[in-house]
Amino acid sequence: DVQLLQSGGGLVQPGGSLTLSCAASGFTFNKYAMTWVRQAPGKGLEWVSAISRSGESSYHADSVKGRFTISRDNSKSTLYLQMNSLRAEDTAVYYCAKGGYDDYYYFDTWGQGILVTVSS
Amino acid sequence: EIVMTQSPATLSMSPGERATLSCRASQSLDSNLAAWYQHKPGQGPSLLIYASSTRATGVPARFSGSGSGTEFTLTISSLQSEDFAVYYCQQYNKWPLTFGGGTKVEIK
Repeated sequence: DVQLLQSGGGLVQPGGSLTLSCAASGFTFNKYAMTWVRQAPGKGLEWVSAISRSGESSYHADSVKGRFTISRDNSKSTLYLQMNSLRAEDTAVYYCAKGGYDDYYYFDTWGQGILVTVSS
Repeated sequence: EIVMTQSPATLSMSPGERATLSCRASQSLDSNLAAWYQHKPGQGPSLLIYASSTRATGVPARFSGSGSGTEFTLTISSLQSEDFAVYYCQQYNKWPLTFGGGTKVEIK
């Protein structure tokens, strides 16, 4: 079974840092792009960051550019999101997701989600 | 940025009815690079449709997608109890990737 197991969420103070992890299993990790998407309380889905299958190319939403960094370790089949300078508006459930075939950035498998709360 | 606008925001339907959800892109999507997802509380979203009309693996045939350019539609031919959820469209034609605001399909 294709699975994405997320970890690393929690409560952090404004201005603080947090790293999310997403451990993949059941597929050849280095053959697919990956992404992070979040959902703030009471809101819809918001794309955050994406990374190519090799890790050579990465993309970030303007709302997190310069503060968040997406990366991957293909030897460990793990995706990461390093979040710095966190703000109250970053409070959300964060999902990692696996890209589709042919390197297209639609997402066919999603993690269970993990809550990040930014508050003093 | 391509803005995806979904309508209606809420759809009140009865089981067995046909549901039609709309998504409009602010720019034409090359090769119809639009996807649809179903999202239930406490779960990760689930891919239903990609490339505007291709059903994802394991998705029941009652779900169908259509459209091109700037207008896309998700149709559920006969609503089942498990279909009451929020549905999102997404474009993957240009960066940044963008989602619509969602359509909640609720029980009437």
